[in-house]
Amino acid sequence: EIVLTQSPATLSLSPGERATLSCRASQSVSRYLAWYQQKPGQAPRLLIYDTSNRATGIPARFSGSGSGTDFTLTISSLEPEDFAIYYCMQRSNWPPLTFGGGTKVEIK
Amino acid sequence: EVQLVESGGGLVQPGRSLRLSCAASGFSFDDYAMHWVRQVPGKGLEWVAGINWNSGSIGYTASVKGRFTISRDNAKNSLYLQMNSLRGEDTALYYCTKDFGPEVGTTDFWGQGTLVTVSS
Repeated sequence: EIVLTQSPATLSLSPGERATLSCRASQSVSRYLAWYQQKPGQAPRLLIYDTSNRATGIPARFSGSGSGTDFTLTISSLEPEDFAIYYCMQRSNWPPLTFGGGTKVEIK
Repeated sequence: EVQLVESGGGLVQPGRSLRLSCAASGFSFDDYAMHWVRQVPGKGLEWVAGINWNSGSIGYTASVKGRFTISRDNAKNSLYLQMNSLRGEDTALYYCTKDFGPEVGTTDFWGQGTLVTVSS
């Protein structure tokens, strides 16, 4: 099973600042990594698939990069609605598909 | 508009069974793989099971293999999860999710979930 480790667990930032979230895989997942956003009381929403492709309707301030075992989600300038929990997920080697433990982006 | 509506959750005693259903609409159901993903309230996400478009490829996470069965009825646009021998650690919100394509991969749309509580 591929283990995904996200860091940091919590990121405290102000609106307008840049957010950089990390996801590290226990073995290579090639580029088969996605990012999801979850707000309180809501289902997760797909942001990025296959490392760097934005899902439909996702603003350009969200971008993804990486390959192999190290991946990054960047939010170029935080909007108030971006404060949420972010999860990475790999589809390279299944079953199982696996998720990271999440990074909470909170208002500083 | 894509819609996924889960049902069948509730309170069940350990060792008993429960069947979850997911009614899909707004897309061509038989063109897409589907999944069940669960989340303990306040905790992270855990993929439970996935099934490809024609039920020819199915997979489970280790902790449910042999106890849970995922299935689909393309004629009814429905996804199911039969859960047997339930344990306390199965308590979670269960999401039905749609895949990007016909084979198991990235989930791109999630329902609102149905809560399963396993307790005596």
